[in-house]
Amino acid sequence: DGGITQSPKYLFRKEGQNVTLSCEQNLNHDAMYWYRQDPGQGLRLIYYSQIVNDFQKGDIAEGYSVSREKKESFPLTVTSAQKNPTAFYLCASKGAIITGELFFGEGSRLTVL
Amino acid sequence: GENVEQHPSTLSVQEGDSAVIKCTYSDSASNYFPWYKQELGKGPQLIIDIRSNVGEKKDQRIAVTLNKTAKHFSLHITETQPEDSAVYFCALPPEGISNFGNEKLTFGTGTRLTIIP
Repeated sequence: DGGITQSPKYLFRKEGQNVTLSCEQNLNHDAMYWYRQDPGQGLRLIYYSQIVNDFQKGDIAEGYSVSREKKESFPLTVTSAQKNPTAFYLCASKGAIITGELFFGEGSRLTVL
Repeated sequence: GENVEQHPSTLSVQEGDSAVIKCTYSDSASNYFPWYKQELGKGPQLIIDIRSNVGEKKDQRIAVTLNKTAKHFSLHITETQPEDSAVYFCALPPEGISNFGNEKLTFGTGTRLTIIP
């Protein structure tokens, strides 16, 4: 079945450690996105990529980094510079039409101890 | 990004009754207005969307209405059922439709809908 796979689903890390969240899609979509979800704040865009080897900062990119070496993959690294990393992280993708459905993964919950 | 306000933040409705969630926006030439549903522990999923050339769109028990003059759009769920319990988000692309993939959706803060059996 086509879709987006995020891993791990739950992740615990100590303060000061970098962590990388995986996002893989087999929908052949060009655009991929990372959102952060906190209670009462909706979804906030961290980074997005329209094409391989290119990505742009979203609204809250500080403390995060991404790469887009393959069309199918868009990993997110939460660095030690991110002041409040504990959150629910959602990856999404969208096909090459001007407006259309965002397809989300099931999310990764990161807890920093 | 576009500023979008969503109300209410929580809503409890007796099973069988209707639920209405409203989003207002400040300034946009966008002509695409989607609604997403997020079930517990899952990612959001598109349930309905509307374009500005129509004022209302229905899909079985759900409908979306759009008032571009007043700058608001609403989600209506009729004959609510327990499986409608979820968090609902409206979203808005910035400044209309430009080139593909360039629209960074701005999401509302979400409405937690609880259907009481």
